[in-house]
Amino acid sequence: SQKIEQNSEALNIQEGKTATLTCNYTNYSPAYLQWYRQDPGRGPVFLLLIRENEKEKRKERLKVTFDTTLKQSLFHITASQPADSATYLCALPNSGSARQLTFGSGTQLTVLP
Amino acid sequence: DTAVSQTPKYLVTQMGNDKSIKCEQNLGHDTMYWYKQDSKKFLKIMFSYNNKELIINETVPNRFSPKSPDKAHLNLHINSLELGDSAVYFCASSQKVAGDEQFFGPGTRLTVL
Repeated sequence: SQKIEQNSEALNIQEGKTATLTCNYTNYSPAYLQWYRQDPGRGPVFLLLIRENEKEKRKERLKVTFDTTLKQSLFHITASQPADSATYLCALPNSGSARQLTFGSGTQLTVLP
Repeated sequence: DTAVSQTPKYLVTQMGNDKSIKCEQNLGHDTMYWYKQDSKKFLKIMFSYNNKELIINETVPNRFSPKSPDKAHLNLHINSLELGDSAVYFCASSQKVAGDEQFFGPGTRLTVL
């Protein structure tokens, strides 16, 4: 069955550095992958969608890569700021039904000033 | 001008009671969802409606009954509440059934005593 793993539950980095979060998946070849940000006490907020035929996508300081051979997506935040501290979730269409998303457990990022 | 709103924000109730959570979206989207996020932060799909029709019904106890009076509203009614129902429930919407970003509400924290 489909499995999604996000690296380390928590990641601490120094302000100004690049944060790199990993999303690995198995037993599936999704047509796309999404990344969301979730702040405490709030709902997830959509950040980026990358399709299987796209290697890389950028939005301001965010960059997402999608390696369908490695079955992995990397999410980068460059020049990180304390305001980037949040939990980041990757999501893939469900292998059984593309109509629904399966979310990873998330990585809690803390950017230290 | 909130995009996806839920009421109430917090719900504390006794085991065995029946309660409802309401959700409204003003984005003109065709598809709405209910998710459950447990204490370990896993976000799991419960139901999805497209144009008032149920299209996803995950393995959820039949004590949970969604109702969509119109495209902009998706309510969740829970009968005979149990301790294990304690979680944060998120409503979400998207323009299309699949492959689209989802917009989440602020969540309803349900505590069953």
